[in-house]
Amino acid sequence: DQQVKQNSPSLSVQEGRISILNCDYTNSMFDYFLWYKKYPAEGPTFLISISSIKDKNEDGRFTVFLNKSAKHLSLHIVPSQPGDSAVYFCAASALGDTDKLIFGTGTRLQVFP
Amino acid sequence: DTAVSQTPKYLVTQMGNDKSIKCEQNLGHDTMYWYKQDSKKFLKIMFSYNNKELIINETVPNRFSPKSPDKAHLNLHINSLELGDSAVYFCASSPSGTVTNQPQHFGDGTRLSIL
Repeated sequence: DQQVKQNSPSLSVQEGRISILNCDYTNSMFDYFLWYKKYPAEGPTFLISISSIKDKNEDGRFTVFLNKSAKHLSLHIVPSQPGDSAVYFCAASALGDTDKLIFGTGTRLQVFP
Repeated sequence: DTAVSQTPKYLVTQMGNDKSIKCEQNLGHDTMYWYKQDSKKFLKIMFSYNNKELIINETVPNRFSPKSPDKAHLNLHINSLELGDSAVYFCASSPSGTVTNQPQHFGDGTRLSIL
C-alpha cells in the first residue's frame, strides 16, 4: 500500500516551458511534504518543501502547490532548463513522526532544447 | 567538504557473506538514517538514529544491524547476504531532535550487488 504515488514515471518538456510534476497521497495524517531531485549515481537533493498549513510555496523557478482536500501536490518548474533533467521524488511525513519520510517512486523529467 | 559520505560506493559480493557500509556526516546533525532503494526505484526507510539512539526500525530482517558509534556516524552491517539484498543503500541526516520539519540530506548511495 503505497501512501505516496507519482503516477507519471516520466515527463518530457521543452526548454523554457513549464514542467508540472504531480504527486498524490493517501494518508490524511501527512502534514509536511518535500520534493527531492536526483541525478544518476548521486543521492537525492532537497529542492523545496511545504507544510500543510500552506497551499503554496515558491523558491525561484520552483513552486509547490498543495491541495489537501484532494490529497494532491504538484511541483512547477518555470522556465524549465536542461539542467533540470533528473528524477524528482515527492516525499511526505506525518504529524508526530516527522523523521519518517515516505517517498513516491519518482518521475523522470527530461528537458530538451 | 562532502556533507554526507558513504563508503564504499560499489559493493559486489557473494551470497552468504557479511558486509558493512559506512556513513559519516559533517553537518552537525543529530539524526541519521538508512534507506533502501530497490529495483523498482522505491526509496524506503530502514532505520533512524537520534544521538546514537535507535528511533525508527522498520520491518527489516535482523540480518541488518545498524551501529552508531557517535552522532556523526551510522554504519550498516549486513549478515548472510541474500540475492534480495541487492539494492542501492542511502544514508541521510537531518537536524531533527527538537527541530521539526527539517529536510534530510542524503549521501550518494552504495550500490550493493549480490552474486
